[in-house]
Amino acid sequence: SQQGEEDPQALSIQEGENATMNCSYKTSINNLQWYRQNSGRGLVHLILIRSNEREKHSGRLRVTLDTSKKSSSLLITASRAADTASYFCATGAQGAQKLVFGQGTRLTINP
Amino acid sequence: GAGVSQSPSNKVTEKGKDVELRCDPISGHTALYWYRQSLGQGLEFLIYFQGNSAPDKSGLPSDRFSAERTGGSVSTLTIQRTQQEDSAVYLCASSLYGGWGVYEQYFGPGTRLTVT
Repeated sequence: SQQGEEDPQALSIQEGENATMNCSYKTSINNLQWYRQNSGRGLVHLILIRSNEREKHSGRLRVTLDTSKKSSSLLITASRAADTASYFCATGAQGAQKLVFGQGTRLTINP
Repeated sequence: GAGVSQSPSNKVTEKGKDVELRCDPISGHTALYWYRQSLGQGLEFLIYFQGNSAPDKSGLPSDRFSAERTGGSVSTLTIQRTQQEDSAVYLCASSLYGGWGVYEQYFGPGTRLTVT
């Protein structure tokens, strides 16, 4: 099964609200990354958090990592219509040679 | 500078035909990855190239799939005797160094393959 599992699978909110997406994984990791995908094509890297970090910020993005619970969350504050996309977490497992992606959360921002 | 490019952007082929998908990574990136994404699904790892090392082919779904990377730059993914279940978007990504999970990956726009 996938290393990263996002929750919820789909999220619809009003513009200006905050959006929170969660990611759970199974094995030990050395870092976790979040990507955004528009229109089912190429992915864009958003943020990387290392296993020894607990929280990271980038603009309106805030990522947390709880290695004891094997989970991460992505918070997008003050959402905009342009944030409408699919968001994927990807894990780099310790000792492994693969960056494994979850199924993604489809975020829709309603104007 | 230029990002990762892929060609063609769309490919429609008949079942049983061979197809070649091309990826031009960012200049100077030593690591190159191929993924497959079916409709509404996550990314499925296919193959990974790092410098002159032997590629990690562990994600290739069958022996109909192969890939090469010439001169440490351009890569071609070949699917022989295509089947309908091969229909998907094929994504290529590159990163500055290998070391899985350490460096961010830059993705191309993908090739949408449809097998009829």
